[in-house]
Amino acid sequence: EIVLTQSPGTLSLSPGDRATLSCRASQSVSSSYLAWYQQKAGQAPRLLIFGASNRATGIPDRFSGSGSGTGFTLTISRLEPEDFAVYYCQQYGYSPYTFGQGTKLEIK
Amino acid sequence: QVQLQESGPGLVKPSQTLSLTCTVSGGSMNSGSYYWSWIRQPAGKGLEWVGRINSSGSTSYNPSLKSRVTISVDTPKNRFSLRLSSVTAADTAVYYCARVDTAMVYWYFDLWGRGTLVTVSS
Repeated sequence: EIVLTQSPGTLSLSPGDRATLSCRASQSVSSSYLAWYQQKAGQAPRLLIFGASNRATGIPDRFSGSGSGTGFTLTISRLEPEDFAVYYCQQYGYSPYTFGQGTKLEIK
Repeated sequence: QVQLQESGPGLVKPSQTLSLTCTVSGGSMNSGSYYWSWIRQPAGKGLEWVGRINSSGSTSYNPSLKSRVTISVDTPKNRFSLRLSSVTAADTAVYYCARVDTAMVYWYFDLWGRGTLVTVSS
């Protein structure tokens, strides 16, 4: 099983700040199968990034993804109030399809 | 616009079987090449993939649950179902159904249901 480890567990920032979220895989994952999701309380996860670096439909360009192999990054260039949520990376390359444990982005 | 909707009992007794259904509306399960998955999330915790099925009935399960999980599909009724046997309190979670389009170059959960809370308690 591929373990995805996200860091930090909690990130405390202010609106307007830049956020950098990390996702490390226990073995190499094809970029084609690495996605990022945002989840707000009481809601289903929402797709942000697919294929490691492609924004999903309707996702603002302040969200960007990068990385390959075992290291991936989600960057939010300038935080808006609505961006404070939990973020998960996920791989669909090898079964079982796993998620990271999540990074909680909270208002400082 | 395709939508997914989970349904089923919100309360299940320990040692019994949890049964949920995901109904696909606004499109046919048979159109395209899709995998239909169940994903669960205990309160305050992360997401766990449970298993998947395609319209032909081919399945894949998370090894951590494989001995207790059965996913089935009913394409005429445009729905798929989850059965999880011998449940304990550890199976209490919000259960989501979700879709992956395998015809794409990139694979990811592009469509999610709103989720349904299942509590295991006597």
